[in-house]
Amino acid sequence: EVQLVESGGGLIQPGGSLRLSCAASGFNFSNSWMHWVRQVPGKGLVWVSRVRSDGIITSYADSVQGRFTISRDNAENTLYLEMNSLRAEDSAVYYCVRDGYTTSPGYYYYYMDVWGKGTTVTVSS
Amino acid sequence: SSELTQDPAVSVALGQTVRITCQGDSLTTYYASWFQQKPGQAPILVIYNTNNRPSGIPDRFSGSSSGNTASLTIAGAQAEDEADYYCTSRDSRRNHLRVLFGGGTKLTVL
Repeated sequence: EVQLVESGGGLIQPGGSLRLSCAASGFNFSNSWMHWVRQVPGKGLVWVSRVRSDGIITSYADSVQGRFTISRDNAENTLYLEMNSLRAEDSAVYYCVRDGYTTSPGYYYYYMDVWGKGTTVTVSS
Repeated sequence: SSELTQDPAVSVALGQTVRITCQGDSLTTYYASWFQQKPGQAPILVIYNTNNRPSGIPDRFSGSSSGNTASLTIAGAQAEDEADYYCTSRDSRRNHLRVLFGGGTKLTVL
């Protein structure tokens, strides 16, 4: 069974740091691009970051660029999100998401397919 | 603000057909996917690459696209289809790939 399990959320003071983890199982993690997506309860989904299967290429939403770092350990089948200089507006449920893909000659078409259940981050004094 | 625009709320009578739309410039270049989210649960994929259904998704769910608008259609809506629905696509800006989500559409089945 394909599974993603997030951990590491909690209550943290503004300006603090937190590292989220996502344990992957049931699929070839080292071949998969991965994302972090967040959601304030009662609000919409917001993309946070994406990392290539080898961990070398990353991209970030403007709102977290320079403060958050996405990384992965393919030997441990684990995705990470290091969050620094946390702000109240970073409070949300953070989801780990796999990128699936389809192919046609010369092209890959990526789409988010499997989501974890999320871990809650609360930034408050 | 989202660069993919969805109607905030839509309602449908039980057993009738409903279309949820998503509008944005990125949809002229990238495929749309759709997620269903029920309260307290993680989103689940219902349509990917415009019009493909993952295994296990009922065939009453279908997708289409025209120009800058993608649509999710539920033919014969059931009570269990009541949920929030989000569209998503990729986007590139200054060669920087990012992911966009629509603001979500709350579907009520009457």
